[in-house]
Amino acid sequence: DGGITQSPKYLFRKEGQNVTLSCEQNLNHDAMYWYRQDPGQGLRLIYYSQIVNDFQKGDIAEGYSVSREKKESFPLTVTSAQKNPTAFYLCASSKLAGGYTGELFFGEGSRLTVL
Amino acid sequence: DAKTTQPNSMESNEEEPVHLPCNHSTISGTDYIHWYRQLPSQGPEYVIHGLTSNVNNRMASLAIAEDRKSSTLILHRATLRDAAVYYCILRHLSIQGAQKLVFGQGTRLTINP
Repeated sequence: DGGITQSPKYLFRKEGQNVTLSCEQNLNHDAMYWYRQDPGQGLRLIYYSQIVNDFQKGDIAEGYSVSREKKESFPLTVTSAQKNPTAFYLCASSKLAGGYTGELFFGEGSRLTVL
Repeated sequence: DAKTTQPNSMESNEEEPVHLPCNHSTISGTDYIHWYRQLPSQGPEYVIHGLTSNVNNRMASLAIAEDRKSSTLILHRATLRDAAVYYCILRHLSIQGAQKLVFGQGTRLTINP
């Protein structure tokens, strides 16, 4: 079935360590996004990408990095520079043409806890 | 960016209709109104979207005010599985074409058996 796969679902990290969250989609979507969600809060955009080898900062990009080497993959690295990384991270994708409705398809999320 | 305002929480009974309001008084002519919902510990899922006319799909209906400054998501017959946080979002296209959807806190809907 087509969809978005995020891994790992749960991740624990010690302070000072970088960690990379995986996001893979087989929907042939052009755009991919990373959001962060804190308890009881809405989603905040970290980074997004429209095409391979190109990405833009969202509203809270500091302390995060991304790459888009393949259309289907958009990994997020949470670096040690991120002051408060414990959160629920959500990856999404969308079409940009051909039947474009603007709908975002989300993965099931990765919950990162810093010990 | 245009913003939306929703009640923090609402409560309804099973098998009754639910009307979830959203205010977006600063909406522009090219903003679409999207609704998503999020079940606990899951990613949001798309519910419905519209521009000016009312819209229906298998999940819900969307009623848009004539001046487009508000909209209402209608669940015609709520079930326990409809308990979720509902987000009302405005979608506009940047010059490059990607969307930067702003998800506020949404409305937490509780359904009583």
